[in-house]
Amino acid sequence: DVKVTQSSRYLVKRTGEKVFLECVQDMDHENMFWYRQDPGLGLRLIYFSYDVKMKEKGDIPEGYSVSREKKERFSLILESASTNQTSMYLCASSPGLGNTEAFFGQGTRLTVV
Amino acid sequence: GENVEQHPSTLSVQEGDSAVIKCTYSDSASNYFPWYKQELGKRPQLIIDIRSNVGEKKDQRIAVTLNKTAKHFSLHITETQPEDSAVYFCAVSGGSNYKLTFGKGTLLTVNP
Repeated sequence: DVKVTQSSRYLVKRTGEKVFLECVQDMDHENMFWYRQDPGLGLRLIYFSYDVKMKEKGDIPEGYSVSREKKERFSLILESASTNQTSMYLCASSPGLGNTEAFFGQGTRLTVV
Repeated sequence: GENVEQHPSTLSVQEGDSAVIKCTYSDSASNYFPWYKQELGKRPQLIIDIRSNVGEKKDQRIAVTLNKTAKHFSLHITETQPEDSAVYFCAVSGGSNYKLTFGKGTLLTVNP
């Protein structure tokens, strides 16, 4: 079974802190994604990566950055956390071009106070 | 970029009835159309998908239909059961990128 693991299930951070959300997949997938999920807004893509060190902006990249130094790990960084970044963050991975079935992590509920 | 519209946002049915959820998309180059189910407190999981070279796909009580000309696709659940209650998301991918763009979701409630 594909396993996508996010480092934390719940996080509470203060406004202005730099926050790191980590995601690891164990199936040698090429593509990795970060989404945020808010009630009534569905899943919105923040950033995605189709190869090591490659990244592309999604639909809502403002206030976020990402890092992919190794194929299995994709990190989401909140440079200076703000209260409007309180949300559920979901990481996903997919095999690659020609097979885009996505497998999700369990999610990180981030609260910024 | 791709725009995915999903309707309805909530759907309540009686056990045994059918449920239909519809999605429209904007990019005619899109070629992969999955549906995900998310139960309360759990991660989204793929339940069925279809590619642009077919018009319909079935898996037991679940089916997806695709109309590429009209750029819409639908999820059909027959003989609904209480365990079908969840949020369902449609998604679209393909063309020149790897992005998977999701609809806003449909909360399906199946009443016993």
